[in-house]
Amino acid sequence: EAAVTQSPRNKVAVTGGKVTLSCNQTNNHNNMYWYRQDTGHGLRLIHYSYGAGSTEKGDIPDGYKASRPSQENFSLILELATPSQTSVYFCAAGDRDSGNTLYFGEGSRLIVV
Amino acid sequence: GDSVTQTEGQVALSEEDFLTIHCNYSASGYPTLFWYVQYPGEGPQLLFRASRDKEKGSSRGFEATYDKGTTSFHLRKASVQESDSAVYYCALSGYTGANTGKLTFGHGTILRVHP
Repeated sequence: EAAVTQSPRNKVAVTGGKVTLSCNQTNNHNNMYWYRQDTGHGLRLIHYSYGAGSTEKGDIPDGYKASRPSQENFSLILELATPSQTSVYFCAAGDRDSGNTLYFGEGSRLIVV
Repeated sequence: GDSVTQTEGQVALSEEDFLTIHCNYSASGYPTLFWYVQYPGEGPQLLFRASRDKEKGSSRGFEATYDKGTTSFHLRKASVQESDSAVYYCALSGYTGANTGKLTFGHGTILRVHP
């Protein structure tokens, strides 16, 4: 199974500041994803990637950028953080070889004040 | 676009009660359907999946049957335990040409089981 690790696990940021959430996976899955989790909304897809150098917009990409510099690493970037981006963010990895099963990290809790 | 609807937002049961969480989906073709479970402080983890009409997925006493006719994938367990308390997500993965593999999730159902 994929081992997906996220950092930081907890972050407090100021409004207007830059936040980078990092994700690393060790099982060489092609696809990686960033979701945010909010009460009443479940898990919503922000950005995803097919492989190194690729990023695609998900369902709620506004206010977020993504970067996939290597097969193992996928970052989510908030250039100008806003309080509405306070949430729990999950990174996931998977591909056709895993039957499209996604393996999730433990989450990063972000509070924007 | 694809969508998943979970009817129950919260379910409260006693141990040994029967559980049903309803899941209906909207997608073209033959999506793969999933149930994920999330325990406090952890990320979602796969419970099981099904890819074909009438296929039954099962794990840890939980089961669901892919029903293309009613576009449903309802989660059931005959006798719940306190340790089953968690959030349960129904999800689907559809193919539209390129293998995006992305999952569309329902809003989740919080299950609380009392001893």
